[in-house]
Amino acid sequence: DVKVTQSSRYLVKRTGEKVFLECVQDMDHENMFWYRQDPGLGLRLIYFSYDVKMKEKGDIPEGYSVSREKKERFSLILESASTNQTSMYLCASSRSGAFGYEQYFGPGTRLTVT
Amino acid sequence: AQKITQTQPGMFVQEKEAVTLDCTYDTSDPSYGLFWYKQPSSGEMIFLIYQGSYDQQNATEGRYSLNFQKARKSANLVISASQLGDSAMYFCAMRGQNYGGSQGNLIFGKGTKLSVKP
Repeated sequence: DVKVTQSSRYLVKRTGEKVFLECVQDMDHENMFWYRQDPGLGLRLIYFSYDVKMKEKGDIPEGYSVSREKKERFSLILESASTNQTSMYLCASSRSGAFGYEQYFGPGTRLTVT
Repeated sequence: AQKITQTQPGMFVQEKEAVTLDCTYDTSDPSYGLFWYKQPSSGEMIFLIYQGSYDQQNATEGRYSLNFQKARKSANLVISASQLGDSAMYFCAMRGQNYGGSQGNLIFGKGTKLSVKP
């Protein structure tokens, strides 16, 4: 059974803290993604990675960075958390190479920044 | 520019009836793929169905079917015989040659919240 796991389901952090969100997939997928989801806005892509140590900015990368040192693990970093980063964060992975490969999602991390 | 539009923020359907969730898309890519995902209240996104732009037949997966009308740029999801467990958010998404391609990025619509009434 395919699996994408995220380190926390719920997280509460203070403004200015450095926050790490971890994502692990066991499907040997090349591509990994970080999205944030806000009511009325749908899913917006923050960053994605198509190989180890490779990363590309998505639509809303400001205030975030990422790390992919191993194929199965993709981390999202909030260097200095702010209240406007309170959101649901979803990690996903997929195979590369064709239009038909769906993304598999993790359960999400609901982050609250106070 | 690539865009996905879901015009129904919320919908109600009676249990055991069929329901259609609308999705229109905008792309200039000659080849693209269309996806539907379900998100229950638990939060996890679940892949439901895929349609390729050159597929000759509409995709079906169990109770889910995709009504693909290429000329109208629509890819509506049809759920037959609705069940209480179908209550969830539903997202339409697209990948094209110029957005996503082999790197797998998807553009998502804003979603439709479906509520199934007993």
